[in-house]
Amino acid sequence: GAGVSQTPSNKVTEKGKYVELRCDPISGHTALYWYRQSLGQGPEFLIYFQGTGAADDSGLPNDRFFAVRPEGSVSTLKIQRTERGDSAVYLCASSSNHRDTEAFFGQGTRLTVV
Amino acid sequence: QKEVEQNSGPLSVPEGAIASLNCTYSDRVSQSFFWYRQYSGKSPELIMSIYSNGDKEDGRFTAQLNKASQYVSLLIRDSQPSDSATYLCAVTVSRDTGRRALTFGSGTRLQVQP
Repeated sequence: GAGVSQTPSNKVTEKGKYVELRCDPISGHTALYWYRQSLGQGPEFLIYFQGTGAADDSGLPNDRFFAVRPEGSVSTLKIQRTERGDSAVYLCASSSNHRDTEAFFGQGTRLTVV
Repeated sequence: QKEVEQNSGPLSVPEGAIASLNCTYSDRVSQSFFWYRQYSGKSPELIMSIYSNGDKEDGRFTAQLNKASQYVSLLIRDSQPSDSATYLCAVTVSRDTGRRALTFGSGTRLQVQP
């Protein structure tokens, strides 16, 4: 596709459940970023990948959060034992490389934990 | 101190006026600076990037960077009601891991009054 694609666009889950959020970056983009955004706040950095490896996962809030990018393209953000505080919009962005080039966002996944 | 700071606003300007949005950052080694526009309920959209001191113009938008003062701004000339949105400043920031990630401010809400 032409842009970053995220699925699902909305996800409602019960507290304690496991969820997976998917991101399909722009074709050829080697850098991929995950952010989450709460109402009235800017995007909060979670993790970024350069190729298949997590180059910086310092933004993941705790060990319930994990992300993979096994083939250097599609990435999955995984959240275990979801909590109500995990409710937010999860944004994915990609860029042609990490070194300071422009990053483009997908439409986001709105996660609601009830 | 936050890594990237913006006045939350709202900044209200009349249609046709110049809107001036400001951003300061704390990391002296930051090299790349971006402005994103975010409409309510939508994902951030890249509108400007700037990498060196001075001004960069693109249509009605001008980004200004002053690395010595750790300050970046966005000017919107001939403001239109359709410019009403939240404007996010993003900066590459060094982390404890030694890596650099794109970090966002909380955004400034702009309202252009018809």
